[in-house]
Amino acid sequence: GAVVSQHPSRVICKSGTSVKIECRSLDFQATTMFWYRQFPKKSLMLMATSNEGSKATYEQGVEKDKFLINHASLTLSTLTVTSAHPEDSSFYICSARNLPGLGSPLHFGNGTRLTVT
Amino acid sequence: QKEVEQNSGPLSVPEGAIASLNCTYSDRGSQSFFWYRQYSGKSPELIMFIYSNGDKEDGRFTAQLNKASQYVSLLIRDSQPSDSATYLCAVRPQGTGNQFYFGTGTSLTVIP
Repeated sequence: GAVVSQHPSRVICKSGTSVKIECRSLDFQATTMFWYRQFPKKSLMLMATSNEGSKATYEQGVEKDKFLINHASLTLSTLTVTSAHPEDSSFYICSARNLPGLGSPLHFGNGTRLTVT
Repeated sequence: QKEVEQNSGPLSVPEGAIASLNCTYSDRGSQSFFWYRQYSGKSPELIMFIYSNGDKEDGRFTAQLNKASQYVSLLIRDSQPSDSATYLCAVRPQGTGNQFYFGTGTSLTVIP
């Protein structure tokens, strides 16, 4: 149980274009999903919290107009990188929790490797 | 971002030895703590969690938590080459939603 599916796994795009990444909870409903970004040999940095039916909450320093998040259903959140630039090249990972409680972990999607040329 | 600190390593241990990984955190009110393993190019996978002071054992893994010192550790007994990965400490702070904050990770190499 608690499977999170992320698509695509890899994407290469040209500078100035937009890229959409999908994150789905396959066997549970997720009112909240989390988007992380990871640069090579660096840690996971929380970008934003995606809330079903309402606006996402962005971490300090993350441009909400550049990283558009939509959480239209209880099983799907999307992250759109708008007008991508080479510095946006990174590993983007979504995650969600399927249960409440202190011991409930985050379950991760397989990540999306974005390369902007 | 809440601060979660780990020694980036690399940490090398011979096969069969005990690997010790450490993590400190800044938010004294943090509620629960997780250890994840991440292979290169892959997403993190959960090893174990702890939220009470003391030790918690799961197979070859033992998590240790000391809230007074704001310190959590992971011991890997009988280390295997397949344990070679980056280990991420994740903290769930108090007073927030469900988000976790991650340390920079410790790279572990188990030498056959």
